[in-house]
Amino acid sequence: KAGVTQTPRYLIKTRGQQVTLSCSPISGHRSVSWYQQTPGQGLQFLFEYFSETQRNKGNFPGRFSGRQFSNSRSEMNVSTLELGDSALYLCASSSDPQGVNTEAFFGQGTRLTVV
Amino acid sequence: KNEVEQSPQNLTAQEGEFITINCSYSVGISALHWLQQHPGGGIVSLFMLSSGKKKHGRLIATINIQEKHSSLHITASHPRDSAVYICGGGTGNQFYFGTGTSLTVIP
Repeated sequence: KAGVTQTPRYLIKTRGQQVTLSCSPISGHRSVSWYQQTPGQGLQFLFEYFSETQRNKGNFPGRFSGRQFSNSRSEMNVSTLELGDSALYLCASSSDPQGVNTEAFFGQGTRLTVV
Repeated sequence: KNEVEQSPQNLTAQEGEFITINCSYSVGISALHWLQQHPGGGIVSLFMLSSGKKKHGRLIATINIQEKHSSLHITASHPRDSAVYICGGGTGNQFYFGTGTSLTVIP
């Protein structure tokens, strides 16, 4: 069974640009959540999608958005990039519709560098 | 103050030592996760527990829901256990994680 796949693995963008990251969950998983990881803040929750609907959202500005497709693949978008957006972006998938009470499987992450 | 606090932040141990990493939280997490992150970024879910104790190989995780505290124990530590260990979980519509404990096991 293939794991969670995130693309691209590495990305360099310039301030002000926008970026789209992709996450393909484990087959059959309908919940996809996104996290930002920085050295100072640790792992921070961005949002969670289930069956194409955003179910939960963390405390990030509106520049961070996402969506989920009918095949459960998810994308997150960051517009007007700032230097502080440089981070490792991780997605995780799970099978249970309850979300928080189910084991999550993480991808390898996309390392975004904003210059 | 963070909703999830881990201690210690950094830990160095000799191979074979018994290791304990602590996790305290102030929010109503219903199921606590322990994650392992190796250099390079990939995260592996080690445990998810909402009560009692779970064991997987040399790893043991315990949780006290009333005290909002969990511990991760590693018996007979090995250099391959060197990684960052992160605890956290969801409260219903939010997920909170600690900043991690960086473990280095020296041969």
